[in-house]
Amino acid sequence: AQKITQTQPGMFVQEKEAVTLDCTYDTSDPSYGLFWYKQPSSGEMIFLIYQGSYDQQNATEGRYSLNFQKARKSANLVISASQLGDSAMYFCAMRERDFGNEKLTFGTGTRLTIIP
Amino acid sequence: DAGVIQSPRHEVTEMGQEVTLRCKPISGHDYLFWYRQTMMRGLELLIYFNNNVPIDDSGMPEDRFSAKMPNASFSTLKIQPSEPRDSAVYFCASSLSAGGSYEQYFGPGTRLTVT
Repeated sequence: AQKITQTQPGMFVQEKEAVTLDCTYDTSDPSYGLFWYKQPSSGEMIFLIYQGSYDQQNATEGRYSLNFQKARKSANLVISASQLGDSAMYFCAMRERDFGNEKLTFGTGTRLTIIP
Repeated sequence: DAGVIQSPRHEVTEMGQEVTLRCKPISGHDYLFWYRQTMMRGLELLIYFNNNVPIDDSGMPEDRFSAKMPNASFSTLKIQPSEPRDSAVYFCASSLSAGGSYEQYFGPGTRLTVT
């Protein structure tokens, strides 16, 4: 079974609109972390936001927020007021925190295109 | 502060040749990771180190791949002999295990082409 599922291979969004990128995860570990990374066409992986499984509030970083629904095992990324520079691949990832385990499992990604 | 540094950025080699990829993690980070990204398999973790010690190498494809971390500021990933199916982008990442989210910071990657 896939541990991280991103069901949207591609999305087109009008500039200045908000966009939600879906991510569902599968784990039996009560302690885990969820991450979103951005990969522009230049290729580098850029860390965007983190949510811990015990965090009571949804994480926010500037225009990025993470809609964490623990019971549904979903961790959707919300980008407000999208910009042309947001066009990129977006990857959701999970770290299951067994002691000493720092492995990240990545989803297949969503390619976001912002339309002017 | 400098981010994760990888060299070379691009490598083109012939099948059968030895390839060495290099990585300098962010100063002070105690974890180092090697990933491989391909269209077919996505982003895969190959191996990671903690305080220069390999912790999990279960993602290393086969014996042709080896990785070392002789000190806290340098790591290598070696492929010998290389094969066309090794063509991919190889990322190095580092993180700090002291509070917070322990997010991994990625280098720019090395694009490897084996002909």
